[in-house]
Amino acid sequence: QKEVEQNSGPLSVPEGAIASLNCTYSDRGSQSFFWYRQYSGKSPELIMSIYSNGDKEDGRFTAQLNKASQYVSLLIRDSQPSDSATYLCAVNWGRGSTLGRLYFGRGTQLTVWP
Amino acid sequence: DTEVTQTPKHLVMGMTNKKSLKCEQHMGHRAMYWYKQKAKKPPELMFVYSYEKLSINESVPSRFSPECPNSSLLNLHLHALQPEDSALYLCASSQGWGPNTEAFFGQGTRLTVV
Repeated sequence: QKEVEQNSGPLSVPEGAIASLNCTYSDRGSQSFFWYRQYSGKSPELIMSIYSNGDKEDGRFTAQLNKASQYVSLLIRDSQPSDSATYLCAVNWGRGSTLGRLYFGRGTQLTVWP
Repeated sequence: DTEVTQTPKHLVMGMTNKKSLKCEQHMGHRAMYWYKQKAKKPPELMFVYSYEKLSINESVPSRFSPECPNSSLLNLHLHALQPEDSALYLCASSQGWGPNTEAFFGQGTRLTVV
C-alpha cells in the first residue's frame, strides 16, 4: 500500500515566521518528491521538487529530504499572507506499475495571519 | 513556459447530456494525465497517456472516456454522469513518466452534474 501522510492542519503562523510542513511516505524505495501549493478553488501549482537527501532551496522555500526516515518537509521562510493555501506533498515511486503515478497526501492547510 | 490550458473553466451538465473537457499543452511533453479532485481531498488519478497511448486507467467508470488525438491534446468525454461526479477535473502533463519527472497542472474544469 502506497501511503503519503501529512498533518491536515490547519497550521497557523504569523506573518514573517517560518512555516514548517511535514510529510511521511510508506515506501523506502520512493524516487522523487514534490510540493504543490493549492489556493482555494484553484489547481495545484508545483513549487518544489527534490530527489536527493538533503536540502534544496528556492527563494523563501526549502525542501528537506531524509530517505532513511522516509520524511520530506517544506520550510517557508518569512511567511506572507499570500502563502495561505493548502500544501500537497506528492511522491513518485518511479518504477514498475507505479510509473506515471503521483501519490498525494491529503494536504496541510496553512494560514498566515498579518 | 509551463502552461497547460483546460477548457471550459466551468461546466454544468444534466445527467443525460454528453460533453467533453479539453486540455492542451505545447511544451513537448509526452505524458498527459486526467485527475479528479473533490472538495478538501487530494487529486485522484484517472488516466495516464504516454506517447498518445493509454497506459493507466484507474478503473474509471465507462461514462468517462479519454481520448488523445495528438501529442498536444487530451480530451475527456462525459456521458450519463451522476451528481456524485461533480468535482474539479484536472489535466496535467510531464516531459516523461519516470522518476524525477515534474508534472504541471492546468487550471481545471469545475464540473457540476445536475
